[in-house]
Amino acid sequence: AQTVTQSQPEMSVQEAETVTLSCTYDTSESNYYLFWYKQPPSRQMILVIRQEAYKQQNATENRFSVNFQKAAKSFSLKISDSQLGDTAMYFCAFKGRGGNKLVFGAGTILRVKS
Amino acid sequence: NAGVTQTPKFQVLKTGQSMTLQCAQDMNHEYMSWYRQDPGMGLRLIHYSVGAGITDQGEVPNGYNVSRSTTEDFPLRLLSAAPSQTSVYFCASSYSARDYGYEQYFGPGTRLTVT
Repeated sequence: AQTVTQSQPEMSVQEAETVTLSCTYDTSESNYYLFWYKQPPSRQMILVIRQEAYKQQNATENRFSVNFQKAAKSFSLKISDSQLGDTAMYFCAFKGRGGNKLVFGAGTILRVKS
Repeated sequence: NAGVTQTPKFQVLKTGQSMTLQCAQDMNHEYMSWYRQDPGMGLRLIHYSVGAGITDQGEVPNGYNVSRSTTEDFPLRLLSAAPSQTSVYFCASSYSARDYGYEQYFGPGTRLTVT
């Protein structure tokens, strides 16, 4: 079974600075998808970014980018120019074969300070 | 589009009571699923459905039932509530095809407390 590990329960960053959230996963599959979801205090789950394993290029979405290291099974999220609105819980998630089932990590609480 | 809707937003049950959490989506998504969120454990899959009439178990199915009679609706039934089922429940839906990138759309969640 696949597992997803987020080793940082909590992190904080100053406004306008850059922060990196870590995620590692375990799978024997060669093709899969990885996601970062954001959960602000409103509780709504919002997709931040996704990566297809067969694509070598790291995904980027505005201030959000990933460092995908397939051999190391690592999928970190970098947030540049952090904003107060980035304060949230961030979940790393894995989708392998067999439907759209997601396996989530435990989450990292990110606090952006002014 | 309303997206994914869930009712109720909050619920308190006594041990042994039963109830149904409602979930509906208006995006014609084939895939729907239920997750529970507990502190320090992320979200865990309870049950999922790949289309009307087809359901299957996820990681933590015990104590829950589902059915999918229409594409739009996917209710989750708690048969006999237990304190261990105190959690936040999320319904999600998505297209099944790779063309859509497998993005899942989540409802606003239901906070359930079992006393």
